[in-house]
Amino acid sequence: QKEVEQNSGPLSVPEGAIASLNCTYSDRVSQSFFWYRQYSGKSPELIMSIYSNGDKEDGRFTAQLNKASQYVSLLIRDSQPSDSATYLCAVNRENTGNQFYFGTGTSLTVIP
Amino acid sequence: DVKVTQSSRYLVKRTGEKVFLECVQDMDHENMFWYRQDPGLGLRLIYFSYDVKMKEKGDIPEGYSVSREKKERFSLILESASTNQTSMYLCATGTPYTEAFFGQGTRLTVV
Repeated sequence: QKEVEQNSGPLSVPEGAIASLNCTYSDRVSQSFFWYRQYSGKSPELIMSIYSNGDKEDGRFTAQLNKASQYVSLLIRDSQPSDSATYLCAVNRENTGNQFYFGTGTSLTVIP
Repeated sequence: DVKVTQSSRYLVKRTGEKVFLECVQDMDHENMFWYRQDPGLGLRLIYFSYDVKMKEKGDIPEGYSVSREKKERFSLILESASTNQTSMYLCATGTPYTEAFFGQGTRLTVV
């Protein structure tokens, strides 16, 4: 079983719609959760971090964490063509020397 | 702002060459990581280090070695480059409970 699993997509949404990206993780001791955006040929950049159950909002982005279900999601409201990228989910575990475990990413295309 | 700098953006090397990829960070982070990223396979951890002169193997260490002589510098070494090591290489740093900060990446082509 992979540490972190994401639907690889591709996911297409019209401009202005809500994009919903999902991620599950296998180890219950995972402590920190991150969403990265990666444009083609570029390195990942942090969008959101979340550490406790519930929702965390930052502008058009909302991260949701449910530790009981081992599930983390990212909602992008009012999607823009500039949001078209691959989104990586990552978790961090102290018991493995603070390694990061990444999903393979979900490709999002926002159609104008 | 955290700055993570990789020595080269693009590299072309010949099969059998010894290749050095350098990564320098300016934020005094304990942890440093080397990943490679290939289409459909995501980010795969090659090696990581949580202190000077300490190193731990990741998921795909074969054909690679690392060196961390100073806290700010983490080097990835391809002992004898092969075509299947053509990839995007990403260095990252971090501290416990914070996010990983990435360098700009090195696109390595082995011919």
